[in-house]
Amino acid sequence: GENVEQHPSTLSVQEGDSAVIKCTYSDSASNYFPWYKQELGKRPQLIIDIRSNVGEKKDQRIAVTLNKTAKHFSLHITETQPEDSAVYFCAATIQGAQKLVFGQGTRLTINP
Amino acid sequence: EAEVAQSPRYKITEKSQAVAFWCDPISGHATLYWYRQILGQGPELLVQFQDESVVDDSQLPKDRFSAERLKGVDSTLKIQPAELGDSAMYLCASGGSGVFYEQYFGPGTRLTVT
Repeated sequence: GENVEQHPSTLSVQEGDSAVIKCTYSDSASNYFPWYKQELGKRPQLIIDIRSNVGEKKDQRIAVTLNKTAKHFSLHITETQPEDSAVYFCAATIQGAQKLVFGQGTRLTINP
Repeated sequence: EAEVAQSPRYKITEKSQAVAFWCDPISGHATLYWYRQILGQGPELLVQFQDESVVDDSQLPKDRFSAERLKGVDSTLKIQPAELGDSAMYLCASGGSGVFYEQYFGPGTRLTVT
């Protein structure tokens, strides 16, 4: 079955700098890759997703890139702000399977 | 904006007792998921429903866990008897029936077994 590895497990950056979180997946048939943000004590919230027919997607300060050949995808956050501090999870799924497999999470801390 | 509802938000129970969690998905969402999230880890799927039918329960410890979605709308997850290792956050999510399955999570139930 699908396996998703996420790195790093913790990331600390200065406010205003960029943050990058990387995930690799094992099943080449996977074609949908969402990212979730989970603040302390709150529900995971879908912040951006990418489908296998595109290589990059942007939404304001957030972008996701996908390399199907290498089977990895990354979340990029630019101009980081204190409210970006949270745990971020990547996930992968196969069209038709309806089942997300999550990475282990990255705790991002933005230092003022 | 419609959200997934869950109750209770917090539950403390003694081991060997029975507990139940309730989830009401976003209206119109055919797919409903129950996840368990251990502190510091990603959510792990326990059971997936399509309408009232179980699609995947391969990771559900069936000797003590059960789940139902009788009318294809809200759902209940039960643990009987609870064990210390069941302490975790139990998350419910729902999704539409589009080609790519976006999932939206509820606030979760934090279970502590003593």
